[in-house]
Amino acid sequence: GQQVMQIPQYQHVQEGEDFTTYCNSSTTLSNIQWYKQRPGGHPVFLIQLVKSGEVKKQKRLTFQFGEAKKNSSLHITATQTTDVGTYFCAASGGSNYKLTFGKGTLLTVNP
Amino acid sequence: DSGVTQTPKHLITATGQRVTLRCSPRSGDLSVYWYQQSLDQGLQFLIQYYNGEERAKGNILERFSAQQFPDLHSELNLSSLELGDSALYFCASSAGWSVTDTQYFGPGTRLTVL
Repeated sequence: GQQVMQIPQYQHVQEGEDFTTYCNSSTTLSNIQWYKQRPGGHPVFLIQLVKSGEVKKQKRLTFQFGEAKKNSSLHITATQTTDVGTYFCAASGGSNYKLTFGKGTLLTVNP
Repeated sequence: DSGVTQTPKHLITATGQRVTLRCSPRSGDLSVYWYQQSLDQGLQFLIQYYNGEERAKGNILERFSAQQFPDLHSELNLSSLELGDSALYFCASSAGWSVTDTQYFGPGTRLTVL
């Protein structure tokens, strides 16, 4: 079945530093979604990318979809303690009508 | 608050037992999804119902079953429970049936099998 690899598994940064998490697939994806899960919470939808090379921004967050639609990234500029949580990518591709989630990147921020 | 409700919040039971988890979707949403989240497997899609009909199936064990009722709430039944079934079970809902529809997750049910 569809597999989505997400790296790194963990990232610890000092407040103010940047953070990036990457998702990779060996097959072409139809779309990719990003979610954030705070500690003890539930996944919360952040954004969806569907077009090749698409870039979307939400304040300090920048989301990219690769030209070949096989990879995606989430970049946070100048992290804050409120950014703490696990960031998941979720993707579907081809005739796959379900979302496959990456294992997530746990971000911790030192104030 | 996503608008999706799940009960109970916590469930502790013994191996071999059967439990039922309940989910009410956001008002107006027709799809309900069930996910299992464990430390080693991450977030795994189990099953999707759309307007009462099974729409998509993921890594759902034969011991597990689900249904969606006419009022659109859904139940996930887990039977012959094993220690490895201990996990967080999330329900999510979306307006339509497509995988591109935004999914709104509930607070989850934490299941502990002793």
